[in-house]
Amino acid sequence: AQSVSQHNHHVILSEAASLELGCNYSYGGTVNLFWYVQYPGQHLQLLLKYFSGDPLVKGIKGFEAEFIKSKFSFNLRKPSVQWSDTAEYFCAVNVWGSGTYKYIFGTGTRLKVLA
Amino acid sequence: ETGVTQTPRHLVMGMTNKKSLKCEQHLGHNAMYWYKQSAKKPLELMFVYNFKEQTENNSVPSRFSPECPNSSHLFLHLHTLQPEDSALYLCASSQWGGRYNEQFFGPGTRLTVL
Repeated sequence: AQSVSQHNHHVILSEAASLELGCNYSYGGTVNLFWYVQYPGQHLQLLLKYFSGDPLVKGIKGFEAEFIKSKFSFNLRKPSVQWSDTAEYFCAVNVWGSGTYKYIFGTGTRLKVLA
Repeated sequence: ETGVTQTPRHLVMGMTNKKSLKCEQHLGHNAMYWYKQSAKKPLELMFVYNFKEQTENNSVPSRFSPECPNSSHLFLHLHTLQPEDSALYLCASSQWGGRYNEQFFGPGTRLTVL
């Protein structure tokens, strides 16, 4: 069955530290890849997405993610985090076609940035 | 009101009650979704509606019954729930186009089953 794995469940960083959150998925076909973020008290919202083309994707607030097809990975990065990046981050994979539609989320990573 | 709204925001019900969750999207989308978010578990896609037609039911028990009267409104009817059904229920919408499936989420309904 398709799945999405986020290896870090809780991450604590100081401001200005670099961030990398891992995401691996298990599906051999064509996928769309997403990172969503949920700030405290707010809705889940899209951070960035990959459909095709350049495997390095830029998102909002200085985030980026790199799709490495051979590793089935879509890791999220930010060179220098801020206190306002404290949130929960979810990786998601969308698979569709041949009469099926799947939108599979990882378990999420809670990031706390210390001021 | 903009985006995706959900009511009520909090709901406490007994196992013999019948209640409904409501979702409304103001984004002009043609697809709507119900998700269940439980502690320490991945967000689970429950139902997908595409142009008002249910296209996916991911092995959800029959005590959850969705209804989509039009492309802007989505309901989740609940009856004889179990305590393990306590969770945050999220509604989302998107433009159904195969590739462009960015989803827009509502704030959720926090459900507690006693």
